[in-house]
Amino acid sequence: EVQLVESGGGLVQPGRSLRLSCAASGFTFDDFAMHWVRQAPGKGLEWVSGITWNSGNIGYADSVKGRFTISRDNAKNSLHLQMNSLRAEDTALYYCARGGIESNLDYWGQGTLVTVSS
Amino acid sequence: DIQMTQSPSSLSASVGDRVTITCRASLSIRTYLNWYQQKPGKAPKLLIYAASSLQSGVPSRFSGSGSGTEFTLTISSLQREDFAAYYCQQTYSAPWTFGQGTRVEIK
Repeated sequence: EVQLVESGGGLVQPGRSLRLSCAASGFTFDDFAMHWVRQAPGKGLEWVSGITWNSGNIGYADSVKGRFTISRDNAKNSLHLQMNSLRAEDTALYYCARGGIESNLDYWGQGTLVTVSS
Repeated sequence: DIQMTQSPSSLSASVGDRVTITCRASLSIRTYLNWYQQKPGKAPKLLIYAASSLQSGVPSRFSGSGSGTEFTLTISSLQREDFAAYYCQQTYSAPWTFGQGTRVEIK
C-alpha cells in the first residue's frame, strides 16, 4: 500500500525558515517523480514544486521560486521542502504527492500545516 | 503560466442528477488534463487523467472528455458520496496549475 506521511509543519514567524519532510513507503521510491502541493485555509490547490526520480529536473511555482528548495533522498525514501524567507501568504496545508506515470498526482499524503504569523 | 478556469464555481444538485463541470485552459494543453475530487478534511483524490482515462478504482459514473483548451468532467448519476470539491489540473507545462475548483452541494 502506498503511503506518504508529511512532517515538519508548525507555527513560524515571517522571514524564518522551515523544512518539511515526506516519508514514502509501499512503492519503489526512485521510480517516481515527487511533488509538493499546498492549500491555503478555505482556498484551492496550488502546485508548489516537483522533482524527477533522479533530481535531474526540478520545477517551482513562481510564488516560491528563489525561496523554497525541493530535494529527495532515494536511499531513505524521503522528500523534503526547505522553505526560507517565509511569508504570511505561505500559510497552508502542504501535501506531498507522487507523480504518476501519466503526468498526474496519483497518491497524496494527509498534509502538514504551516502557519506563518508573528 | 497556463491559466485554468473552471465553471461553475459551485452547483447544487440532487442524488441521481447528471452533473457536468467545465475546465478551460488559456492555451492548448492537448490532453494533459487531470481531475481530482476533494472531500472536506481529506487529501485530493485522482479521478481522471489524460483528459479521459479513469483512474483505477474510480466508479464508472465519472467520465472526462476534451482536448486542446476545453474539457469536461461528467458525473452520470450523482451519488451522496460525490458531494465534494472538484479540481482540474494541467500538466502540459511547468508550473503545473489547477483550476479554482467547483463545489458540488446537495440541493
